[in-house]
Amino acid sequence: QVTLRESGPALVKPTQTLTLTCAFSGFSLTTDGVCVTWIRQPPGRAPEWLARIDWNDDEFYTPSLRNRLSISKDTFKNEVVLTLSNVAPVDTATYYCARIILDEFGDGGYFDPWGQGTLVTVSS
Amino acid sequence: QPVLTQPSSLSASAGASASLTCTFRSGINIKMFWIYWYQQKPGNPPQYLLRYKSTSDTDRASGVPSRFSGSKDVSANAGILVISGLQSDDEADYYCMTWHASAWVFGGGTKLTV
Repeated sequence: QVTLRESGPALVKPTQTLTLTCAFSGFSLTTDGVCVTWIRQPPGRAPEWLARIDWNDDEFYTPSLRNRLSISKDTFKNEVVLTLSNVAPVDTATYYCARIILDEFGDGGYFDPWGQGTLVTVSS
Repeated sequence: QPVLTQPSSLSASAGASASLTCTFRSGINIKMFWIYWYQQKPGNPPQYLLRYKSTSDTDRASGVPSRFSGSKDVSANAGILVISGLQSDDEADYYCMTWHASAWVFGGGTKLTV
């Protein structure tokens, strides 16, 4: 059974760096074709894709946040870490991680399953 | 203009069918794109339902009933999620998603009321 669980601070001050951890089980990020992604969803709004990391260490970021995001993996711990620098109140959202099922060409695909998410509020 | 546009709300009666649209921005040819659909109920993460590219390229997630299906209206440049035999449990937010310009993009979501 594939499961993912997000963890991190519930409250972060503006200008600080947010660090979130995704602990997963049921698959390995050392297996070819396996990828993990982060998505966020502001309250009452649609999800927004943030970043992706692949089994071969390739990284992908949403263009609008590329200079503030960093994604990494620890294959021994089965964890993926996302950092978002210089946060502001607009970064308040529930942050999710998910496994990616890649399409036939290995670039697009869908997210399944998702973790339960962790709500992060940015406020002074 | 967003890449994907969804009507904010849709209301339909139990037992009827509902068609939820996901319109691609003008200039983006929908024909070659996979469209992914998610269902989200309050307090829960989005749950993957199905994907659709063509009549021969489509599948549902494990456990998703055949009442849920995908299609495209190429003339309208829109993907469609069809839910037949609506049940009260289908009341939820529905999001479409696609891979465009090396990034995943979500629609704004449709709140379906049954």
